[in-house]
Amino acid sequence: EDQVTQSPEALRLQEGESSSLNCSYTVSGLRGLFWYRQDPGKGPEFLFTLYSAGEEKEKERLKATLTKKESFLHITAPKPEDSATYLCAVQETGANNLFFGTGTRLTVIP
Amino acid sequence: GAVVSQHPSWVICKSGTSVKIECRSLDFQATTMFWYRQFPKQSLMLMATSNEGSKATYEQGVEKDKFLINHASLTLSTLTVTSAHPEDSSFYICSARIAGRSYEQYFGPGTRLTVT
Repeated sequence: EDQVTQSPEALRLQEGESSSLNCSYTVSGLRGLFWYRQDPGKGPEFLFTLYSAGEEKEKERLKATLTKKESFLHITAPKPEDSATYLCAVQETGANNLFFGTGTRLTVIP
Repeated sequence: GAVVSQHPSWVICKSGTSVKIECRSLDFQATTMFWYRQFPKQSLMLMATSNEGSKATYEQGVEKDKFLINHASLTLSTLTVTSAHPEDSSFYICSARIAGRSYEQYFGPGTRLTVT
């Protein structure tokens, strides 16, 4: 049973072309939703934690939002250095671990 | 802050030998550490959760006798792959959660294991 589904699987953008990545989740109770960035051959780098519907967080060109069923990672005017795989993970209430989606592989073309 | 290191970053070993991977939290104490493996172009799969001073909890399908986990201190957890086989070749990543704080997990840079 999939708990976390990310779309699209891959996304190619021109530099400066804003877009959004989607993370849909199904859990009985959400303790937190996490966004990570992963570069090839590296471990995931923590970006954001969202805890409740309506919450938003921003960091440079990235903005994460959360509803009761999904989260969006908005990328505004991306640069080539934003190219990476973006992973979404959820932690259920009462659970200790994270369930990861399969990620969105973002490529930003100069 | 919240830096996690892993050693080695890559290792090549012969089939049948054992390999130990270290995971350290450098600037915080971690009561809970996690071990993941990741195959090419796939997401992270949790292998086990380790709590300092107690036995690790393994996910279904993970052989506890093959993947030995020790969390002897608040800053160090080790994963030993025993009697490694080529199918154990993978990218192993650890993460740690800051003791007494929120739920974020901070990941190490990963260890690439190749078994020949």
